[in-house]
Amino acid sequence: GAVVSQHPSRVICKSGTSVKIECRSLDFQATTMFWYRQFPKQSLMLMATSNEGSKATYEQGVEKDKFLINHASLTLSTLTVTSAHPEDSSFYICSARVAGLAGGPFPGEQFFGPGTRLTVL
Amino acid sequence: GNSVTQMEGPVTLSEEAFLTINCTYTATGYPSLFWYVQYPGEGLQLLLKATKADDKGSNKGFEATYRKETTSFHLEKGSVQVSDSAVYFCAREEVGGAQKLVFGQGTRLTINP
Repeated sequence: GAVVSQHPSRVICKSGTSVKIECRSLDFQATTMFWYRQFPKQSLMLMATSNEGSKATYEQGVEKDKFLINHASLTLSTLTVTSAHPEDSSFYICSARVAGLAGGPFPGEQFFGPGTRLTVL
Repeated sequence: GNSVTQMEGPVTLSEEAFLTINCTYTATGYPSLFWYVQYPGEGLQLLLKATKADDKGSNKGFEATYRKETTSFHLEKGSVQVSDSAVYFCAREEVGGAQKLVFGQGTRLTINP
């Protein structure tokens, strides 16, 4: 099956620093990647949609200058949390959608990474 | 608004018990509906989906039927196993969007032997 990895799986940083999270599709090409944020015992909230080679589309209320997204290739998207503060502490999850209508039993399916736990001190 | 509401957890059952996790949605139109499962330490995996009214999605013994009359997509399994212990998320596709998903809050299921 299609595999999506995220790195790092866990990061602790000081307030004011920037943190980069990578999302990779390991065995397929993904024209579209999605970034989600999940608070404890809450649902996944979509932050932005990232298409390869173009600017990301951010959801309402998400600061694009705060959460920088780069989707430079069909297998890699990065999320950079700039000048992180404690309120940015959360679980960040990416997903990748298979190009075209491929995707095994569920065409167009999103495949999810295991998530990155960010703690800002 | 457009949202997904699912049964609050945690849910604890004994092995071989019958499982139901309720899910209702609000949306304009008829979005595709999904159930995702997240096993400990892993990413979300698509469990099943239904794309139109009265469709029944099924996989690994789980089933869910798209009911437009009750705007529901309840997840069921006749006989659960310890290996089914996970967090289950109901989701709907945003109508007209680039296959964006709106998720419920998740239901943690624990199956005891």
